[in-house]
Amino acid sequence: GEDVEQSLFLSVREGDSSVINCTYTDSSSTYLYWYKQEPGAGLQLLTYIFSNMDMKQDQRLTVLLNKKDKHLSLRIADTQTGDSAIYFCAESQGNTPLVFGKGTRLSVIA
Amino acid sequence: EAGVAQSPRYKIIEKRQSVAFWCNPISGHATLYWYQQILGQGPKLLIQFQNNGVVDDSQLPKDRFSAERLKGVDSTLKIQPAKLEDSAVYLCASSWGGETQYFGPGTRLLVL
Repeated sequence: GEDVEQSLFLSVREGDSSVINCTYTDSSSTYLYWYKQEPGAGLQLLTYIFSNMDMKQDQRLTVLLNKKDKHLSLRIADTQTGDSAIYFCAESQGNTPLVFGKGTRLSVIA
Repeated sequence: EAGVAQSPRYKIIEKRQSVAFWCNPISGHATLYWYQQILGQGPKLLIQFQNNGVVDDSQLPKDRFSAERLKGVDSTLKIQPAKLEDSAVYLCASSWGGETQYFGPGTRLLVL
């Protein structure tokens, strides 16, 4: 079945770049997403990439997709303390339910 | 544009009691989802509606969970009777039918 895997923890220093990695198994995934969840809050869509793209950049965020290896990454440039949160990788085929990973907890050290 | 609204934000009940959650999607969004997020996990789909019809309820524990979306707008999710393992955050999301789902703040349920 569908599966999305992420590392559980990442710790970086303020001002450094963060790279959060994700692998998925469903080759029919059309869209791949990154969501952010702060404590006690819902999920905030950060960005998404269509499966025929290799890269997408949006301000401090860069998404890289290696479709052959089914590997997705999110790079956050100049990481700030406000970036501390749980980041979820998810996939879908469009108007279908999202399949999420377990989330990566990012801790930013001042 | 108002976001997805959910209520209540928090609920504490005892096992075997009943509970209901409410969701109001973004105006014009035809597709509505309910997800369950257990502590330390990613959200998992419970049910998907398209307007007032059910598209996917294969993961909904139908012996205790029910959901409806009358008139294709608001939705309610009910648990009756609740079990300890139902303690989770219940997230509602909506989309206009495309690739982007917008989530509400969630309802945090604790079953004692």
